[in-house]
Amino acid sequence: QSALTQEASASGTVGQKVTLSCTGNSNNVARYSVGWYQQISHGAPKAVMFGNSLSSGIPDRFSGSKSGTTASLTISDLQPQDEADYYCSTWDYSLNVQVFGGGTKLTVL
Amino acid sequence: EVHLVESGGGLIQPGGSLRLSCAASGFTFSSYWIHWVRQAPGKGLVWVSRINSDGSATNYADFVKGRFTISRDNAKNTLFLQMNSLRAEDTAVYYCVRGLGGIAADFWGQGTLVTVSS
Repeated sequence: QSALTQEASASGTVGQKVTLSCTGNSNNVARYSVGWYQQISHGAPKAVMFGNSLSSGIPDRFSGSKSGTTASLTISDLQPQDEADYYCSTWDYSLNVQVFGGGTKLTVL
Repeated sequence: EVHLVESGGGLIQPGGSLRLSCAASGFTFSSYWIHWVRQAPGKGLVWVSRINSDGSATNYADFVKGRFTISRDNAKNTLFLQMNSLRAEDTAVYYCVRGLGGIAADFWGQGTLVTVSS
C-alpha cells in the first residue's frame, strides 16, 4: 500500500478538463512540495511539475494545487497525447524517505 | 540541456553484486541532490536512495539498507549505486533523478534494467 493515495484510473474526452488527486498526511503532502510525473507506455517518467512550477516543455494546460494533505493535478483541454500513468511524490518527514502514490492511469476517450 | 544516463544493469544471480552508474551533463552536478528510484515490471515507482550535493549525507529505503550504497564522484559528474546481496525482488528498472530541495524532482534518466534471476 502506497503512502500517497491516488485514483487507480481516470478518464476524459478530448477537450475536457480532468483533475487527479494525491492524498497524504501532515508528514508529507502538507509539509513539502509535491512532484507530478507522467509515464507514457512504460517509458521513463517525465516531470510534469514540482511545487507550483511547470516543468520545461509541459504545456500550460497542466496546473497543480495543494490544500492541506491533498495535492491535485488538473489537465485542461485534454489531448490524446496526455494518456499516460501519472504519479505524485514528495518527502515524508516521519519515515525519512521519499514516498510515491500508486499512480493514476489516465485514459483519453 | 540536462541529461542523466544510467548504465550497469544486467542479469545477475541472487546473492550477486552489481554497480550502477549515472552520468550527468548539462547542469552543475555538484550542486544537486541525486536520487535512485526503481520500478519493478508492471508496478509503480519506488524510491531507493538519495545523496546530497557533496556526498556527505545519504538516505536509504528500509528494503535496501545494509545492501545498497549510494555514492558520487563530482569530479566526473557521476552517481553510483553499489548493490550487494541482490534478491529476486530487486528486479526493476533503476532511474537516477535530479533532486530539488532533497526531493527527487525534475529530471529523470532513461533507466537501466536489473534482472535478478538464477
